[in-house]
Amino acid sequence: DADVTQTPRNRITKTGKRIMLECSQTKGHDRMYWYRQDPGLGLRLIYYSFDVKDINKGEISDGYSVSRQAQAKFSLSLESAIPNQTALYFCATSDPSGTSRNEQFFGPGTRLTVL
Amino acid sequence: QKEVEQDPGPLSVPEGAIVSLNCTYSNSAFQYFMWYRQYSRKGPELLMYTYSSGNKEDGRFTAQVDKSSKYISLFIRDSQPSDSATYLCAMKDRGSTLGRLYFGRGTQLTVWP
Repeated sequence: DADVTQTPRNRITKTGKRIMLECSQTKGHDRMYWYRQDPGLGLRLIYYSFDVKDINKGEISDGYSVSRQAQAKFSLSLESAIPNQTALYFCATSDPSGTSRNEQFFGPGTRLTVL
Repeated sequence: QKEVEQDPGPLSVPEGAIVSLNCTYSNSAFQYFMWYRQYSRKGPELLMYTYSSGNKEDGRFTAQVDKSSKYISLFIRDSQPSDSATYLCAMKDRGSTLGRLYFGRGTQLTVWP
């Protein structure tokens, strides 16, 4: 059973379109994160959330927005997609109070292509 | 300069070889050091975790941290084709309440039979 799920797994869209990527988790973790991964650049943090009422920008938040609808759900939106947002997007969760408090658990990723 | 530097490779070795993967970092506040393994079309998964300096061994894998040199390593003994993946180092500072991890770019490893 997948603890962190992402939908869609693949998406092709056009420049200027609005798109939403969704993340759900059954781990009961308060903290959730959105990353993008580009070849040669590794993982870069877009946004993170400590709980439903706490949302913070990461290192590359421009052009993105997020919504934490519930403890288990964290969505990433591209208001007007552009080609350089073509990347692999990962959602992750963590539990700072648990025995694995420094571990982040990643979803399977969404491959987004903006034409 | 990125806070965490990692040679992206690619690295290609024969089965049974010893593999050495490395990262350097600039932030002396980093106290927690991790290695994640990412298979193709999958999300990263935690492989090894080390706090502060020293070595940690888990089967064929050994993680080393040298804080004086700001250098961490992951060694894989008797490498197997199933070890073929991208390996990412990640770090966190002790004082951070944010839980933010700083990742290296990842090293792509192929172990051929």
